[in-house]
Amino acid sequence: AQKVTQAQTEISVVEKEDVTLDCVYETRDTTYYLFWYKQPPSGELVFLIRRNSFDEQNEISGRYSWNFQKSTSSFNFTITASQVVDSAVYFCALTEGLGGGSEKLVFGKGMKLTVNP
Amino acid sequence: DSGVTQTPKHLITATGQRVTLRCSPRSGDLSVYWYQQSLDQGLQFLIQYYNGEERAKGNILERFSAQQFPDLHSELNLSSLELGDSALYFCASSVVGRRTDTQYFGPGTRLTVL
Repeated sequence: AQKVTQAQTEISVVEKEDVTLDCVYETRDTTYYLFWYKQPPSGELVFLIRRNSFDEQNEISGRYSWNFQKSTSSFNFTITASQVVDSAVYFCALTEGLGGGSEKLVFGKGMKLTVNP
Repeated sequence: DSGVTQTPKHLITATGQRVTLRCSPRSGDLSVYWYQQSLDQGLQFLIQYYNGEERAKGNILERFSAQQFPDLHSELNLSSLELGDSALYFCASSVVGRRTDTQYFGPGTRLTVL
């Protein structure tokens, strides 16, 4: 079965610091998708990025960047110049096939980021 | 705003009761997923529907059931509630429910069983 490990459970930084959230995954699938979701204090789950297993190109979106390395089964997320609004729980997730072409998401336990002013 | 709506936002009930959680997917999405988020289990997949048909089941208890209606909204029914059922229940939707899709989540329904 698929597994997602977010070793860090909680990080506290001061505004404008850079912070990297680690994600390590296990899968036997050759084709899979990785995701990051953000859960702010209000509770909803917000989609941030999707990456397929064939695309190891790093991605940058504003202050957010993602580093996907198949060789180490990692999909790390970096926030540059963090802001108070980045305070949230961040989840890494991996698709798992359920048969019949259906998929579910397997989530890591989440990492709580607190950005202090 | 993901476009997925869930009602109610909060639900407080007693043990042994039955509740219904409702979800409307994003416009154009045919597949609906239900997930449970609890402190001890984290985020766990419960069940998936596609265009009215059940497609996949996860760790869903027999006391729980779901359905997707012709207008594509979905309901999750929880019965004989126990204290341990207290959790945040999310609905997600995607276009056709396959790995090429992204699942977009609703705001969740927080269930408290007293």
